[in-house]
Amino acid sequence: DSGVTQTPKHLITATGQRVTLRCSPRSGDLSVYWYQQSLDQGLQFLIQYYNGEERAKGNILERFSAQQFPDLHSELNLSSLELGDSALYFCASSPKATGLGYNEQFFGPGTRLTVL
Amino acid sequence: QQQVKQSPQSLIVQKGGISIINCAYENTAFDYFPWYQQFPGKGPALLIAIRPDVSEKKEGRFTISFNKSAKQFSLHIMDSQPGDSATYFCAASMNWGAGSYQLTFGKGTKLSVIP
Repeated sequence: DSGVTQTPKHLITATGQRVTLRCSPRSGDLSVYWYQQSLDQGLQFLIQYYNGEERAKGNILERFSAQQFPDLHSELNLSSLELGDSALYFCASSPKATGLGYNEQFFGPGTRLTVL
Repeated sequence: QQQVKQSPQSLIVQKGGISIINCAYENTAFDYFPWYQQFPGKGPALLIAIRPDVSEKKEGRFTISFNKSAKQFSLHIMDSQPGDSATYFCAASMNWGAGSYQLTFGKGTKLSVIP
């Protein structure tokens, strides 16, 4: 158990709908990362938040948005859903950067999104 | 453009054998190379990682070999066990500054260790 929690575990919805995925980082971790995992694209970095502020953006569609709240939990909002958005969505968290190098990212169990 | 290429896509190894997974990267700005292990229904978990100024790192049965000039690195699993059956991802990290480290993953290798 990494200490990162994600809800819901599974989500089934229809095309055109909007969903919200929730992530609670490990206690004390300030950074939250969102990833999309699909069979053909693998694990793709979407976006990072650090202490409430957006820090880095990857391959995130304009239909997707995220935020990190004062209690450090994060939400990923997916709108105008398409069949191709069906995937596993992972959240990861990492502690405050020490400046000494890479910060390990601890992954949650993921949310499986199915768009019908 | 895929910045980290991983092979093979799948691998079947007999118990006690050596599993070898290879990765190649393109961007010389990458400065940290972790390997993640993922079991079905779980999130990826860090297995072992290496910096580019080191040519080899060993932790138990797991070894990373790193060739900076060739921009290649590999994971060796010695004495492979059925419990090692999982999907393995190589990754490369880039420091964006101010506490941001973006991970770029390879597409994964599904390892099956048969008794």
